[in-house]
Amino acid sequence: GAGVSQSPSNKVTEKGKDVELRCDPISGHTALYWYRQRLGQGLEFLIYFQGNSAPDKSGLPSDRFSAERTGESVSTLTIQRTQQEDSAVYLCASSILAGDGNEQFFGPGTRLTVL
Amino acid sequence: DAKTTQPPSMDCAEGRAANLPCNHSTISGNEYVYWYRQIHSQGPQYIIHGLKNNETNEMASLIITEDRKSSTLILPHATLRDTAVYYCIVRVPPGNTGKLIFGQGTTLQVKP
Repeated sequence: GAGVSQSPSNKVTEKGKDVELRCDPISGHTALYWYRQRLGQGLEFLIYFQGNSAPDKSGLPSDRFSAERTGESVSTLTIQRTQQEDSAVYLCASSILAGDGNEQFFGPGTRLTVL
Repeated sequence: DAKTTQPPSMDCAEGRAANLPCNHSTISGNEYVYWYRQIHSQGPQYIIHGLKNNETNEMASLIITEDRKSSTLILPHATLRDTAVYYCIVRVPPGNTGKLIFGQGTTLQVKP
């Protein structure tokens, strides 16, 4: 079946503009995660959804970052007033349930470049 | 979540076993050891996980020491396609959000 998909695959924007990144999880997966990976670095956790609620937003770096999820389906990560330090690959992952024994399947990521 | 320490890089000859070590000396009794890998320009891929016993699947074997302070991921017959960054992650069991805390990982270069 289809894996996790993300769109766009690449996004170039100007500093100060808003961007929306989309994630389509695997059908039936209730848990959804957003991570960020800066060039040459490991992944940083941003936010976790269980259904359409977000019990853990601890990784969002500032109030310019927000995310929402519709039911147990699509999620959108929004970055307002983008800054150059927001440039990174944004990865989405989903799992059947949260927690151990339920492996996370990652999408290919969206590469964001802020000029 | 307990911290993990991995060597930054390793080489392995194609067809030979690749043994990737990980130290997790502060691991708690209920924390699992997970391994993911990331091939260049792709999202991370789950490999294997374990608690106390050694584990094996179609991709790899995981050997955990008796004191659980370290583990080794074994790729029995490495191929060029196994060249990737390998991440060792320690996680708490169900009840936790399941978020993964990635370190810098080990860059494995499989050479012909």
